[in-house]
Amino acid sequence: QFVLTQPPSVSGAPGQRVTISCTGSTSNIGAGHDVHWYRQLPGTAPQLLIFANNNRPSGVPDRFSGSKSGTSASLAITGLQAEDEADYYCQSYDSSLSGSFVFGSGTKVTVL
Amino acid sequence: QVQLVQSGAEVKKPGASVTVSCKASGYTFTAHHIHWVRQAPGQGLEWMGWISTDSGATSSAQTFQGRVTMTRDTSISTVYMELTSLRSDDTAVYFCARDQVDMGIGPWGQGTLVTVSS
Repeated sequence: QFVLTQPPSVSGAPGQRVTISCTGSTSNIGAGHDVHWYRQLPGTAPQLLIFANNNRPSGVPDRFSGSKSGTSASLAITGLQAEDEADYYCQSYDSSLSGSFVFGSGTKVTVL
Repeated sequence: QVQLVQSGAEVKKPGASVTVSCKASGYTFTAHHIHWVRQAPGQGLEWMGWISTDSGATSSAQTFQGRVTMTRDTSISTVYMELTSLRSDDTAVYFCARDQVDMGIGPWGQGTLVTVSS
């Protein structure tokens, strides 16, 4: 059972914009803890995509953006490209679980 | 560059223990905690715990408390994760990853497949 809930899948045509939601609660996202996003290409380790809600590490294109409001966060991908097809995970910290890091359930992005 | 290199795949029988190592390079080892995260086949990411590479203090998810032990050897910039009383549902890829305080987790090791089968 995942503490952070994401849609299992989203899809879009090349060039379109897609968004992935990450819904938490008052003990994690709603408590003010930062949300980070990771992309995992098939057969590889996850890579940091967005940190602290809306910041991109160097090398991540500005097609990727993050936002956070209340008990939820979102990742947006604009100008969708074939190489964006991957699994995406949100991650935060939960104060009610003895100080535990938590991941979202994951979202598969498919480029049509 | 910053790199985490993990030990190779393991096959274990139910009830056994496994130890996975994670060697860090390219930065000051004791400046960053190390997380352990696992991913069962076809499933999502599950946080297991983390270790302070400086003090050796650890914190683990409730799911794994009593079964997981994380240690480090600062002389060789390596952390270890031991999981005991293995069950078939412990079959997964185990990742180590560097904590970046308020800047997320990364980079990640390449992953170590642990297969539990009789």
